[in-house]
Amino acid sequence: SQQGEEDPQALSIQEGENATMNCSYKTSINNLQWYRQNSGRGLVHLILIRSNEREKHSGRLRVTLDTSKKSSSLLITASRAADTASYFCATEIYEKLTFGTGTRLTIIP
Amino acid sequence: DTAVSQTPKYLVTQMGNDKSIKCEQNLGHDTMYWYKQDSKKFLKIMFSYNNKELIINETVPNRFSPKSPDKAHLNLHINSLELGDSAVYFCASRQSNTGELFFGEGSRLTVL
Repeated sequence: SQQGEEDPQALSIQEGENATMNCSYKTSINNLQWYRQNSGRGLVHLILIRSNEREKHSGRLRVTLDTSKKSSSLLITASRAADTASYFCATEIYEKLTFGTGTRLTIIP
Repeated sequence: DTAVSQTPKYLVTQMGNDKSIKCEQNLGHDTMYWYKQDSKKFLKIMFSYNNKELIINETVPNRFSPKSPDKAHLNLHINSLELGDSAVYFCASRQSNTGELFFGEGSRLTVL
């Protein structure tokens, strides 16, 4: 299965700290995306990084991609209570997006 | 205006019944998807349609039948519901130039 594995499964940090989540996958991809899901809601797209890119930034988010190791990381800097959610990586091959197992992030005020 | 809307949001039904979930997107996207999220939050792709044509059909029981009357709509019909069908079903559409998916709020199906 192409489904990615995310690490850690759960993460609790103090507000203001940085949060790092990792994603590993198995086969070559077109791109890798990160999504956030608040409890009881749909997924919301955060950032996309193409297979020929190594790093991308969007506001407080920083994503890296290492295709040789088939891994990606999502860094959220200066965390806020509103960042509490589940975060999923998703790998895309020919319009098929396969999601990872998710990281449950809790920001402690 | 909700970009991707699903109805119903909640559905409780008995085993053996047949039910449908409807999805509509007003984003003008060509590609739409159905995903199933289980109790452990695992998201699995079920189907994908591009402009009314089926392009992805994962290993899903024949009891599940998607229908796309036009590119803005992708409905999911489930026959002979089983306990294991209980999950949250998400519809999504894809922005072709970026690859970003837009998700609906989900339809929580509970089979008793």
